[in-house]
Amino acid sequence: ETGVTQTPRHLVMGMTNKKSLKCEQHLGHNAMYWYKQSAKKPLELMFVYSLEERVENNSVPSRFSPECPNSSHLFLHLHTLQPEDSALYLCASSQDTLGEYHGYTFGSGTRLTVV
Amino acid sequence: AQSVTQLGSHVSVSEGALVLLRCNYSSSVPPYLFWYVQYPNQGLQLLLKYTTGATLVKGINGFEAEFKKSETSFHLTKPSAHMSDAAEYFCAVSEGLNQAGTALIFGKGTTLSVSS
Repeated sequence: ETGVTQTPRHLVMGMTNKKSLKCEQHLGHNAMYWYKQSAKKPLELMFVYSLEERVENNSVPSRFSPECPNSSHLFLHLHTLQPEDSALYLCASSQDTLGEYHGYTFGSGTRLTVV
Repeated sequence: AQSVTQLGSHVSVSEGALVLLRCNYSSSVPPYLFWYVQYPNQGLQLLLKYTTGATLVKGINGFEAEFKKSETSFHLTKPSAHMSDAAEYFCAVSEGLNQAGTALIFGKGTTLSVSS
């Protein structure tokens, strides 16, 4: 399988639940990203991993916890979320060398609803 | 920090008409610029990009964009719209990160509607 795969595609969770989103890329890329897409708002960068090390955390609440065990996998662990966290969560990857940029490949996203 | 402004959250055109989606950016250094398209219930797909060299760049599905440094613009055009072009379009600029690598900063998006 090629490209960036996100699972699950849809997730409904209560505010006291713990769940995880998974992202997997088969492109040989060395950087991976989590974005949040809410209605009527720009895509919000949440986390950036380069060579499996977190290089950016855009002031994301601690109820979101990322994990990058290797260059092909990225997780977003969720706990005690709020209804305003309902959104489409997009994972992306890139072959990112400082000073040179090729753009991202995105997954199809996980539609999260917090009830 | 970089930023991107997309003028017009919604653009409507007739099939066969010119498509023009506007994007302006702010950047203190020469930028890398991108246009992405998003169809319903899907992720974002790269349409085209400007990094260096020719300022008129061609992408997939007949789209093209011109980088104009003096106007800090990177507008997306297509000579003749097709029904299948109906989607949401995002302009993005790359930004260097504190530690290493880069990240994309996106505009709010423009929804393109195409009528027959």
